[in-house]
Amino acid sequence: NAGVTQTPKFRILKIGQSMTLQCAQDMNHNYMYWYRQDPGMGLKLIYYSVGAGITDKGEVPNGYNVSRSTTEDFPLRLELAAPSQTSVYFCASSYAGTSGGSEQFFGPGTRLTVL
Amino acid sequence: EDKVVQSPLSLVVHEGDTVTLNCSYEVTNFRSLLWYKQEKKAPTFLFMLTSSGIEKKSGRLSSILDKKELFSILNITATQTGDSAIYLCAVECYNTDKLIFGTGTRLQVFP
Repeated sequence: NAGVTQTPKFRILKIGQSMTLQCAQDMNHNYMYWYRQDPGMGLKLIYYSVGAGITDKGEVPNGYNVSRSTTEDFPLRLELAAPSQTSVYFCASSYAGTSGGSEQFFGPGTRLTVL
Repeated sequence: EDKVVQSPLSLVVHEGDTVTLNCSYEVTNFRSLLWYKQEKKAPTFLFMLTSSGIEKKSGRLSSILDKKELFSILNITATQTGDSAIYLCAVECYNTDKLIFGTGTRLQVFP
């Protein structure tokens, strides 16, 4: 089991550029999440998905889009990168939602800098 | 608005010291509280607490939840330099699929 994998590990973008952060899990988890972590801050939820074809907004969705066409993959898209999106992005997955008391497993993170 | 507050924000100790990290919360429909340790990259799971007064232990780490006073503590005894990390507290609620995280406590343990 690779667990939760994220690519790329690092990326530098110019303002206005677009990119997709990839996330995949091989644990057959239904639930997947995208968080961002700013320096000195806790994790903030961007988007989450409770299953293939279903996505929902978290606390800070503006400037991002997601899709969930398969159980395994949950890519996060930035359409017009802004300096405020400089952060470390974590993808996570869990078997059930938090209402099922299921632990979340995290990927290694993607460090994104927008200049 | 649901919130999770951790204190202190930062802590510096010497090896062998005992530390206590605090997490308080105000949420609707509390289900459980989780502690994570974050070193260089992704957080790793430490404990999940759902019942008041029942201590969970893992080696030198232990944690307990007080649902009446709405807080949890994470204790680390005989600290080692490898305990240096950010410790995150998160709360999950019934009928949602999200975790609410605190800002974390940065612990630095010096030899």
